[in-house]
Amino acid sequence: DADVTQTPRNRITKTGKRIMLECSQTKGHDRMYWYRQDPGLGLRLIYYSFDVKDINKGEISDGYSVSRQAQAKFSLSLESAIPNQTALYFCATSGSLVSNEQFFGPGTRLTVL
Amino acid sequence: KQEVTQIPAALSVPEGENLVLNCSFTDSAIYNLQWFRQDPGKGLTSLLLIQSSQREQTSGRLNASLDKSSGRSTLYIAASQPGDSATYLCAVLAGGTSYGKLTFGQGTILTVHP
Repeated sequence: DADVTQTPRNRITKTGKRIMLECSQTKGHDRMYWYRQDPGLGLRLIYYSFDVKDINKGEISDGYSVSRQAQAKFSLSLESAIPNQTALYFCATSGSLVSNEQFFGPGTRLTVL
Repeated sequence: KQEVTQIPAALSVPEGENLVLNCSFTDSAIYNLQWFRQDPGKGLTSLLLIQSSQREQTSGRLNASLDKSSGRSTLYIAASQPGDSATYLCAVLAGGTSYGKLTFGQGTILTVHP
């Protein structure tokens, strides 16, 4: 089984709808991250969490919110989706305080019409 | 603001060739640098991680080097194979008060043809 899973893998929605993307991990890591990937812009950090009670904004947090329900679960919400939020979304985790090596989930392809 | 640039944007080579992918970053105050591989429609796979105090790391046919003072890293792939075809991304981890944030380059698309 994959160490980092994301649901759904694909989602098509309409402008104005609320969307939640979920991430679960079995690696036992404290740190979790949400990124989006756009052609020509690369991957950019949306939010990150160093433990259940610690949540921080990344470089592009506007229009997004997150919830860290447990050590193993980190959800990303789009309260009112807009077309420019169409992208590939990745969840990642890291556990080592020394290396902070990050491990990525398979991604969620979101299309907002 | 940290900026990461990867050159070339795309590379096509015949099978068996040795190749080098380049990554440069503007702020040398990094904690580490990580190289990833991304296959179409899939997530990122971590290939190598180099701590800021290290000069290089090796895994099989892959060797990554880091020159922090000049803001450069290279990924060397020996004896390339068609299965190496993918997008290769480098990312630098900020240190200090920004610790934990990865900044990615836009990637090099590698095609190895038989």
